[in-house]
Amino acid sequence: EPEVTQTPSHQVTQMGQEVILRCVPISNHLYFYWYRQILGQKVEFLVSFYNNEISEKSEIFDDQFSVERPDGSNFTLKIRSTKLEDSAMYFCARQDSNSPLHFGNGTRLTVT
Amino acid sequence: AQSVTQLDSHVSVSEGTPVLLRCNYSSSYSPSLFWYVQHPNKGLQLLLKYTSAATLVKGINGFEAEFKKSETSFHLTKPSAHMSDAAEYFCVVSPPPRDSNYQLIWGAGTKLIIKP
Repeated sequence: EPEVTQTPSHQVTQMGQEVILRCVPISNHLYFYWYRQILGQKVEFLVSFYNNEISEKSEIFDDQFSVERPDGSNFTLKIRSTKLEDSAMYFCARQDSNSPLHFGNGTRLTVT
Repeated sequence: AQSVTQLDSHVSVSEGTPVLLRCNYSSSYSPSLFWYVQHPNKGLQLLLKYTSAATLVKGINGFEAEFKKSETSFHLTKPSAHMSDAAEYFCVVSPPPRDSNYQLIWGAGTKLIIKP
């Protein structure tokens, strides 16, 4: 059983729509991350989240992206107005101090 | 600056033969190194990690990797390939020590193909 659960496993949306991708770490962890992987390309860092706020973000993580931990458990990635190029696998990861990242199974986002 | 290069985009081996997936890194510090595996339509799973202890690291599913500082390499090997090993493998580096941020540097991936 994965230590990080991502929902949905597959999301299809129309261009311009908002999507929310969810991540549920099973136990309390310090650090959370979002990565994405466009089909056939490298895994790319999006954002890291520590102590309930963003600690680092990449150039990809522009104003249309946001992250929250709304209820102290779920960790969400919101894309406000999706573009075709946002189609990718999105991976949530969690980490405790000095341990490797552990990833969820990912959400495949398809923007049409 | 940190970087990681996976020398082969695809590796094809016959079932039962050895596997070698090559990875070279560049780091101004002694890095932590990882191999992750991604099976089709699955998430990223940690295979093994090197964090300045033993240079030969054993991972899951019979894989191991050797850290060679003189060659700046961290190649992944397995003595005998199995059909279930078919997947994409990522070599990943991160700079120690760990502060409040932790940004992994990912290789481009190597797709391992197993021929029956």
